[in-house]
Amino acid sequence: KAGVTQTPRYLIKTRGQQVTLSCSPISGHRSVSWYQQTPGQGLQFLFEYFSETQRNKGNFPGRFSGRQFSNSRSEMNVSTLELGDSALYLCASSLKTGVETQYFGPGTRLLVL
Amino acid sequence: AQSVTQLDSQVPVFEEAPVELRCNYSSSVSVYLFWYVQYPNQGLQLLLKYLSGSTLVESINGFEAEFNKSQTSFHLRKPSVHISDTAEYFCAVRGSSGGSYIPTFGRGTSLIVHP
Repeated sequence: KAGVTQTPRYLIKTRGQQVTLSCSPISGHRSVSWYQQTPGQGLQFLFEYFSETQRNKGNFPGRFSGRQFSNSRSEMNVSTLELGDSALYLCASSLKTGVETQYFGPGTRLLVL
Repeated sequence: AQSVTQLDSQVPVFEEAPVELRCNYSSSVSVYLFWYVQYPNQGLQLLLKYLSGSTLVESINGFEAEFNKSQTSFHLRKPSVHISDTAEYFCAVRGSSGGSYIPTFGRGTSLIVHP
């Protein structure tokens, strides 16, 4: 079974631009969660989608948004990029929401200049 | 609100020596506890988890952790480490609040195994 895939793996943007990251979960998994990992703040939960609905949301500004499609693939969007948005963005999938085991993708490394 | 404290940012140890990575948490609700490992340039992998039942949980590669409710701790141990255990280890808690299980992660502990 293929693991969680994230595209692109690396991305360079400039301040003020917007970016869209993509995550394809493990086949059969219906929950997708997104995390931001930075040296300063560590790993922080962004949001979780299950059956195309946002189920949980972390403490991030509205510039961070996401969605999930009927095939469970998910995208997250960051508008008006700031330097502090430079981070590794991790996606994790699980069979369902709750405390199911999450399987993480390799991440997308975003650099904002 | 919940929080996780990993008391050591870095733990150097020699190969075949025992190791303990410390994790303390605080939460006002029932919690579920996890340890993840992250190898360089990779995503996180679940090492082990405590949901209920026996307070001692084990992973397939020799790690174990014990849930101590009175001390609000979930320390990770291995009796004999290998070079390949060198990685970043994250402790996480998911508290049950109104059906929501938002996870909170510790800052991570870098385990460095020397030959």
